[in-house]
Amino acid sequence: AQTVTQSQPEMSVQEAETVTLSCTYDTSESDYYLFWYKQPPSRQMILVIRQEAYKQQNATENRFSVNFQKAAKSFSLKISDSQLGDAAMYFCAYRSAITNFGNEKLTFGTGTRLTIIP
Amino acid sequence: NAGVTQTPKFQVLKTGQSMTLQCAQDMNHNSMYWYRQDPGMGLRLIYYSASEGTTDKGEVPNGYNVSRLNKREFSLRLESAAPSQTSVYFCASSRRPTGQETQYFGPGTRLLVL
Repeated sequence: AQTVTQSQPEMSVQEAETVTLSCTYDTSESDYYLFWYKQPPSRQMILVIRQEAYKQQNATENRFSVNFQKAAKSFSLKISDSQLGDAAMYFCAYRSAITNFGNEKLTFGTGTRLTIIP
Repeated sequence: NAGVTQTPKFQVLKTGQSMTLQCAQDMNHNSMYWYRQDPGMGLRLIYYSASEGTTDKGEVPNGYNVSRLNKREFSLRLESAAPSQTSVYFCASSRRPTGQETQYFGPGTRLLVL
């Protein structure tokens, strides 16, 4: 079974600075997808960024980028020019590329609470 | 587009009571999911429906039943609520059940079982 580990329960960053959230995962599969979701106080789960394991290029979405290290099974999220609206819980998630019984789910880490200091 | 909607937003139940959580999506997605979120844990899959007419158990199905009423709606039923089912419940949908498809989440239902 796959597992996802987020070792930083809480992080804080000054507004306009850069912060990196860590995520590691364990899997025996070679093809899979990785996601970062943001959960603000409203509790809505919002997709921030996704990465296909077969792509070597790191995904970027505006101020958000990832550092995907497949051999190390590491998938960190970098937030540049942090803004007050970035304050939220951030969840790393894994999904198998194999679609059969039991593999359809997203496997989530326990989350990192990000605080933005004005 | 409303995306994924859930009702109710918040519910208090007594042990042994039953209730149904409703979920609907207007994105014409084929696949729908129910997750629960407990403190200090990530979301865990309860049940999912890969396509209309099919449902399957996820990671933590005990104590729950689901109905895929039509393509838009996927409900979660607690027949006899227990305090261990106090949680936040999220419904999600995706275009297909395949791995590369992004799952879109509803706003959640907070359930308290006394």
